[in-house]
Amino acid sequence: DAKTTQPNSMESNEEEPVHLPCNHSTISGTDYIHWYRQLPSQGPEYVIHGLTSNVNNRMASLAIAEDRKSSTLILHRATLRDAAVYYCILRDVGVGYGQNFVFGPGTRLSVLP
Amino acid sequence: DTGVSQDPRHKITKRGQNVTFRCDPISEHNRLYWYRQTLGQGPEFLTYFQNEAQLEKSRLLSDRFSAERPKGSFSTLEIQRTEQGDSAMYLCASSYLGGSSYEQYFGPGTRLTVT
Repeated sequence: DAKTTQPNSMESNEEEPVHLPCNHSTISGTDYIHWYRQLPSQGPEYVIHGLTSNVNNRMASLAIAEDRKSSTLILHRATLRDAAVYYCILRDVGVGYGQNFVFGPGTRLSVLP
Repeated sequence: DTGVSQDPRHKITKRGQNVTFRCDPISEHNRLYWYRQTLGQGPEFLTYFQNEAQLEKSRLLSDRFSAERPKGSFSTLEIQRTEQGDSAMYLCASSYLGGSSYEQYFGPGTRLTVT
């Protein structure tokens, strides 16, 4: 399984942008990059995903390096509700049914008021 | 749409006992997943169903674990002869095969404590 590495923890001030990095140097051509987050005492929730191009949705933006060996999740204005563990996941659609999502330990984001 | 539900939310059992958990996915979702999560770690994939067919199983799913989705709707995860190492949060997720959605929707989980 392709691996991802993320900082254990990060801090941000409320209403400031947050850039959460993820390294995936062994990414393969068939790996999609997914981000999920897990709020305290809840199951994970989908944030965003991409393959090669940068992606935007109502929650966040995903910036993917040209060589795809790293990506950055961008929260444009952090709120207290964004305090969570953020997981960067590679999903290989070229293996089996492509449904084995491999979560790492993630980055715990703290948002300071 | 009430989301993914799991029952029970908490289960305490003695080592050696069998336990069964239930997951009710979002009604139109034909994909269903089970994960296990221990404290401080991300979820670990256990198994994947597409409708009633179990198509992927992790090597983490030992012989003591069995999952079913008999009619392609709800699913059960049974652990036989529980061990203390089975203590964890068991998460169920569902998604829709088709369209452009790659989102998995997770339930709140069942927390298992084996004493």
